[in-house]
Amino acid sequence: GENVEQHPSTLSVQEGDSAVIKCTYSDSASNYFPWYKQELGKRPQLIIDIRSNVGEKKDQRIAVTLNKTAKHFSLHITETQPEDSAVYFCAASTSRGSNYKLTFGKGTLLTVNP
Amino acid sequence: DSGVTQTPKHLITATGQRVTLRCSPRSGDLSVYWYQQSLDQGLQFLIQYYNGEERAKGNILERFSAQQFPDLHSELNLSSLELGDSALYFCASSAGQSGANVLTFGAGSRLTVL
Repeated sequence: GENVEQHPSTLSVQEGDSAVIKCTYSDSASNYFPWYKQELGKRPQLIIDIRSNVGEKKDQRIAVTLNKTAKHFSLHITETQPEDSAVYFCAASTSRGSNYKLTFGKGTLLTVNP
Repeated sequence: DSGVTQTPKHLITATGQRVTLRCSPRSGDLSVYWYQQSLDQGLQFLIQYYNGEERAKGNILERFSAQQFPDLHSELNLSSLELGDSALYFCASSAGQSGANVLTFGAGSRLTVL
C-alpha cells in the first residue's frame, strides 16, 4: 500500500522566516496531495491541495510543489506568523479501480517564535 | 462547527470493554471516514464508507468494526479494548467517494482505556 514519509517531525522558526515541510510517497499512482493543519486541541483542516497534473500551487503565504518523477511534494510557508504554529499533515491519495485511500504522513509540529 | 458531529467527546473505560463511537456527516456528504490519532502514529486511516457501503479499508484491527446506516450516520465499534487503543478517533466526511475529495473532520472522540 501507499507509504507517506514526512520530514521534519518538528520545525522551529522565527516569526517572518520561511518554513518548508517535505513529503515523499511510494505509490506512483497517487494523484492527489492535500495538506491539513491541526492546531492544538482542534480538528485537522485542509489548507491547500494539489493534483498530479499541476507542479505548483499558491495561496497567499502558502505554496505546494509536486515532483512526480521523484515522488515528493513540499509545503512552503513564507513570512511565518505565530498563528501558523500547528501540526501539519501531508497526505497522498491513491485510487485502484473503485478503491480509494488517503494516506497521511506522521505530521510536522511547526513552532513560530515571536 | 465543521458540520461533522461526533459523540461522545470523551470516553473513559476499562480494558476488555466495548465502546461505540458515533458520527454524523456534514449535510450532503455521502462518505464517512474513520481515523485514529495517537501521539507517535499521526492520523491512521481505519475505514471508509460511501452511501452505506464499505469503500476502503486501512489498518483496522479485527476487534474494531464499523458501519454506515441508511441515514448516513456511522458508528465505530471497538471491542476487547486494550491500553494501546487509547487515542483520539476522528470521523471525517466528504461529498464523493474518491480519496481526492476534501475531508471535513469532526472534533474527535477521545478514548482512554484504563
